Amino acid sequence: ETGVTQSPTHLIKTRGQQVTLRCSSQSGHNTVSWYQQALGQGPQFIFQYYREEENGRGNFPPRFSGLQFPNYSSELNVNALELDDSALYLCASSQDSSNSPLHFGNGTRLTVT
Amino acid sequence: QKEVEQDPGPLSVPEGAIVSLNCTYSNSAFQYFMWYRQYSRKGPELLMYTYSSGNKEDGRFTAQVDKSSKYISLFIRDSQPSDSATYLCATMKTSYDKVIFGPGTSLSVIP
Repeated sequence: ETGVTQSPTHLIKTRGQQVTLRCSSQSGHNTVSWYQQALGQGPQFIFQYYREEENGRGNFPPRFSGLQFPNYSSELNVNALELDDSALYLCASSQDSSNSPLHFGNGTRLTVT
Repeated sequence: QKEVEQDPGPLSVPEGAIVSLNCTYSNSAFQYFMWYRQYSRKGPELLMYTYSSGNKEDGRFTAQVDKSSKYISLFIRDSQPSDSATYLCATMKTSYDKVIFGPGTSLSVIP
């Protein structure tokens, strides 16, 4: 069974730039959720994708957007990067839009300078 | 007030000690309660999952939920250095609702 994989593992961007993070879900899972984890904080829900549609969104501005592909992999796009966007971005997969349980990848560490 | 709060620690205990980790939450609509363990530079992994009030035991780990006081606990018996990690409590209203995490408690178990 293949777990959740994320790429890249680390990324450094400049304020104002755009970034795309990628996630491959665990085998057999059709739902992907994205979380932002700032240093010393718990993960915060960004949004969930189920059957290629956004299926719930947290308190994040529209410059955070995503996609899910027919093979259930997903992308997180962030436009107009701000310094506060520096965080660990976690992808989690699950079955049929349920969050019971979530299986997390090891994240992408984004640093915005 | 944050929806889920926990003492960030750090908590340092000797090997073999019993560890008690605690969380409080604010919304009585929360029905599902989880504990995730996160090692440094890794994603969170699910440790315990409970529905409503009560206790659940899995090996050296016991999760307790007291909905009347909105209090969640995780006990670790015979703690090991490999238990050194950040422990995140989490909750959700339904199994299809977003998961809300606490800020995490950092635990170090000293050999």
